[in-house]
Amino acid sequence: QVQLQESGPGLVKPSGTLSLTCVVSGGSMSKNRWWSWVRQPPGKGLEWIGEVSPTGATSYNSSLKSRVNISADRTQNQFSLSLTSVTAADTAVYYCARGTVTSSYFYYMDVWGKGTTVTVS
Amino acid sequence: SSELTQDPAVSVVLGQTVRITCQGDTLIQFYATWYQQKPGQAPVIVLYGKNNRPSGIPDRFSGSTSGDTASLTITGAQAADEAVYYCNSRDSRGDPQVVFGGGTKLTVL
Repeated sequence: QVQLQESGPGLVKPSGTLSLTCVVSGGSMSKNRWWSWVRQPPGKGLEWIGEVSPTGATSYNSSLKSRVNISADRTQNQFSLSLTSVTAADTAVYYCARGTVTSSYFYYMDVWGKGTTVTVS
Repeated sequence: SSELTQDPAVSVVLGQTVRITCQGDTLIQFYATWYQQKPGQAPVIVLYGKNNRPSGIPDRFSGSTSGDTASLTITGAQAADEAVYYCNSRDSRGDPQVVFGGGTKLTVL
């Protein structure tokens, strides 16, 4: 089955750029899926960061939009997150996830990576 | 911006039934999806759509929607169900946004 694995530096300096990659294994980045990044600050809830759609279009959380870029490389079966001008508030576990949107108005994320901890310090 | 509202905490006696709710205007268009998260683990999807359970999720988990409120019901709660539950939906009215509720901590007594 499809598995996701996040990778990237675990420590980023303030004002720097956080860069993570999610590798998709066990299947292809099929064109009817949306690929998302979600984060969770310590002791807090889940926050959607953004996604790349089957057409390659991107959507971002309005609160992070000015600092986020998500891209996909379907030939390499991976997608990436870049978050600029980071502060301590960006310290979190970062997850990548596979999403599905249906014509019946279902939206769900059925496959998640295990998450990677990023500390800004 | 879109929001989904959940009660921060709910408790249930072992073997009894508990309902966790999620309210928000995005639920009028898109069904809620429910995720279970245990400490130190990634979220796991437990319910999506009208009342669909992924393979491996026990049938004691069920869902319903009425207007702008979705509910996750656990019938005969087990100790293994103690976790934080998040609802999630999509807002396609403008630039697509994905929203999560704040999470409900379920304690099984």
